[in-house]
Amino acid sequence: SQKIEQNSEALNIQEGKTATLTCNYTNYSPAYLQWYRQDPGRGPVFLLLIRENEKEKRKERLKVTFDTTLKQSLFHITASQPADSATYLCALDPRYGNNRLAFGKGNQVVVIP
Amino acid sequence: GAGVSQSPSNKVTEKGKDVELRCDPISGHTALYWYRQSLGQGLEFLIYFQGNSAPDKSGLPSDRFSAERTGGSVSTLTIQRTQQEDSAVYLCASSLGGASTEAFFGQGTRLTVV
Repeated sequence: SQKIEQNSEALNIQEGKTATLTCNYTNYSPAYLQWYRQDPGRGPVFLLLIRENEKEKRKERLKVTFDTTLKQSLFHITASQPADSATYLCALDPRYGNNRLAFGKGNQVVVIP
Repeated sequence: GAGVSQSPSNKVTEKGKDVELRCDPISGHTALYWYRQSLGQGLEFLIYFQGNSAPDKSGLPSDRFSAERTGGSVSTLTIQRTQQEDSAVYLCASSLGGASTEAFFGQGTRLTVV
């Protein structure tokens, strides 16, 4: 069966350090992988998209890697700030078929001042 | 509009009643998604529209759930004979479609079935 796995345990990290989150998937062949941020009581907000032929993508303090052999994406927040505290979700955009976006359950990040 | 708009933002209904949830996507976005999120859980895919057609209805939990989209714009998600397990936040998202599928979400409708 298809699975998208993110760590269910919250990541507590000291301000200024780098937070790294993992997204693993099975039985998918995504053309794209996306990362979203969700704050309590709000809908997810798009952060970054990486294509299957891209190894790495950066946006300000965010970095995403995509390894289609390992079927894994890593999401990094460098120089983390308390305002980065949120839940981060990965989403897979399939290559074929219905193009529905499939989301992982998300991984909470808590940045401690 | 400037963003995806959902209404109502909150809905409390009695078990057994029907409810309609509305989504106004961003103008020009051809793709529209409905998701459901229970407390502390991830996003559960319900249905996807490309234009007015729904190529993927596989996520609808039961035949009590239905959705339509008219004019390639507004979508309505209808839940008939609501049950307590239907209580959740229902999120709508839209995207340009095609090769770019960055999704823009609304603020959600919090449904509580009592």
